[in-house]
Amino acid sequence: GQQVMQIPQYQHVQEGEDFTTYCNSSTTLSNIQWYKQRPGGHPVFLIQLVKSGEVKKQKRLTFQFGEAKKNSSLHITATQTTDVGTYFCAGPGTGRRALTFGSGTRLQVQP
Amino acid sequence: DTEVTQTPKHLVMGMTNKKSLKCEQHMGHRAMYWYKQKAKKPPELMFVYSYEKLSINESVPSRFSPECPNSSLLNLHLHALQPEDSALYLCASSQGILGLINSPLHFGNGTRLTVT
Repeated sequence: GQQVMQIPQYQHVQEGEDFTTYCNSSTTLSNIQWYKQRPGGHPVFLIQLVKSGEVKKQKRLTFQFGEAKKNSSLHITATQTTDVGTYFCAGPGTGRRALTFGSGTRLQVQP
Repeated sequence: DTEVTQTPKHLVMGMTNKKSLKCEQHMGHRAMYWYKQKAKKPPELMFVYSYEKLSINESVPSRFSPECPNSSLLNLHLHALQPEDSALYLCASSQGILGLINSPLHFGNGTRLTVT
C-alpha cells in the first residue's frame, strides 16, 4: 500500500500565479522523488531529495524535504501553461521494497 | 522523448486473446519494472526484475505473466484479460545499484491497452 499522501488532488491557477503540492508520510523516508506527467504522457523524473531539510531548485521549481524526512513540497513560481500536468511524489512503499507513488496533484493553468 | 522503448503503443484485445507487451532499454540499468496506470490515478507497481530475476510481484493475477529474457528486455504476457484490466501499462528502468527505492525511474511511453 501507499505510504505517501499527496494534496491537493487538483489545482486550477491563472498563468503567473504560484502553485504548491505537498506530500506527507507517517514514517521517515530514506528519500523522496518527484515526477511530472503531462496529459497523455508518461511520468518524467524531476528530482530526488535525500537529506533532512534539503532544498533544491530547478528554474521556477523549488523542492523541499522536511527536517523529519516525513514530508516534502514542490513549489512552482509564476506558473506557465507548460507546467500543466500531474505532479507525483514517490517514496519507499510498504516494506520499503520499491517506490510507491503518491496520489498526484493535477495542475491546470489558465492562460 | 525517452530511452525506454515500449511496443505496441496501443493494443485492443479480446478476453480470449493472448498478447505480449515489450519493453527495451539500453542504459545499462539493472532493474526493470511494470506499472499499471488507470485514468487519473498514480502508477501502481506490478512487477520488478532486478539483475534479471523477479524480485517483486505485487500479488498480480496470473493472467499477467512477466518475462525478462536479458538485462535490456522486459516482456509482459497477457492472457484471458478482463475489461477492468484496460489501462496504460508503463515499463520503467532504474540503475538499481543503490537499491530499488533509491534509484530514479526512467519510464517508457506506455502501452494503452483496451480489453473488449
